[in-house]
Amino acid sequence: KNEVEQSPQNLTAQEGEFITINCSYSVGISALHWLQQHPGGGIVSLFMLSSGKKKHGRLIATINIQEKHSSLHITASHPRDSAVYICAVSPTGNQFYFGTGTSLTVIP
Amino acid sequence: DAGVTQSPTHLIKTRGQQVTLRCSPISGHKSVSWYQQVLGQGPQFIFQYYEKEERGRGNFPDRFSARQFPNYSSELNVNALLLGDSALYLCASSFTPTGGYEQYFGPGTRLTVT
Repeated sequence: KNEVEQSPQNLTAQEGEFITINCSYSVGISALHWLQQHPGGGIVSLFMLSSGKKKHGRLIATINIQEKHSSLHITASHPRDSAVYICAVSPTGNQFYFGTGTSLTVIP
Repeated sequence: DAGVTQSPTHLIKTRGQQVTLRCSPISGHKSVSWYQQVLGQGPQFIFQYYEKEERGRGNFPDRFSARQFPNYSSELNVNALLLGDSALYLCASSFTPTGGYEQYFGPGTRLTVT
């Protein structure tokens, strides 16, 4: 059983579409992280949140602690958003649990 | 300020050999974590070090070991390499090991075992 489940696994969108990626987790956490990984491996931290909502540019992340669920939204998607988006949670800080990622392709 | 750096970038080894991967954290960060990412999967936690002490260990065999130096850089060692050890090895640093601090990831070392 995975502590972190993401959906969908793969997502193809037309440029300009609104995109939602979901993350559910089964453990108590101190923080949830959304990461972006481009081909070649480099990982960039997009958001770290423990409650509520955060916005950065066209990206919005929300978390519902009671429901153990988080969503990452991308507004006005662009081909450069194509990447793998990974949800990770840290229960105690000593260990991270990662989802398997959502592979996003945005078509011009 | 430099981000997390890892070396080497790519590495090819044969079964049974030993490998050492290196990571330098962001200046001021005292915690370093190591992750293994097999192709097509999410990263798996291997180790976390803080102030030169092991603070967490994932479900990996004893062939995997690590250490952290006084300057907070870290090495990951893998002995008796298996084909299944082929993966991207990621290092991440944070100010402290607690979950409330962001982790910053390095570019990774891609290890191929033949």
